[in-house]
Amino acid sequence: GAVVSQHPSWVICKSGTSVKIECRSLDFQATTMFWYRQFPKQSLMLMATSNEGSKATYEQGVEKDKFLINHASLTLSTLTVTSAHPEDSSFYICSAGSSGLSYNEQFFGPGTRLTVL
Amino acid sequence: AQTVTQSQPEMSVQEAETVTLSCTYDTSENNYYLFWYKQPPSRQMILVIRQEAYKQQNATENRFSVNFQKAAKSFSLKISDSQLGDTAMYFCAFGTSYDKVIFGPGTSLSVIP
Repeated sequence: GAVVSQHPSWVICKSGTSVKIECRSLDFQATTMFWYRQFPKQSLMLMATSNEGSKATYEQGVEKDKFLINHASLTLSTLTVTSAHPEDSSFYICSAGSSGLSYNEQFFGPGTRLTVL
Repeated sequence: AQTVTQSQPEMSVQEAETVTLSCTYDTSENNYYLFWYKQPPSRQMILVIRQEAYKQQNATENRFSVNFQKAAKSFSLKISDSQLGDTAMYFCAFGTSYDKVIFGPGTSLSVIP
């Protein structure tokens, strides 16, 4: 199956700083990438959908100025958490899909654990 | 709006036994896909099985099979010959073509040796 990587796998930062998380599709061109947030023992909550070369579509309640998403190429999307606060601490997961597939399977990255002190 | 419900927050099964995880969904769409994802302690999401709504035949993947009841909007997962490695969170999910996937709240499955 297709491989999606995320970097870093974990990050600890101070309150008020910004953190960038990268999501890469390693062996296919991802026309669409999704960013999820997952709190402990909870389900995945979709934050935004990004298509290569266009602005991301954010889900209701997600602050677009706080969670900046860039999908500049068919293999890379980035999520930047700006002015991070302790309540932003969570597990962030990206997934990638391709219009070349016959169904909308998403391939998931391994996730990034963010801890804001 | 589509919703996915999993009514069993936690389940356990003896090794080598069979267990069924329940899932119901609500949608007005006619063409869609249903998925079961597994999230082990590593937290890597793994696709277990998928079902296209237009297919009447239930999907199977080795020890995993589904019971898809379109009229009832039900999509249960049966795991046969349960193994210790099946211990994980299982998420039922709904999606339409090239669109976002909506996940249910999950069922934590423990396989007991």
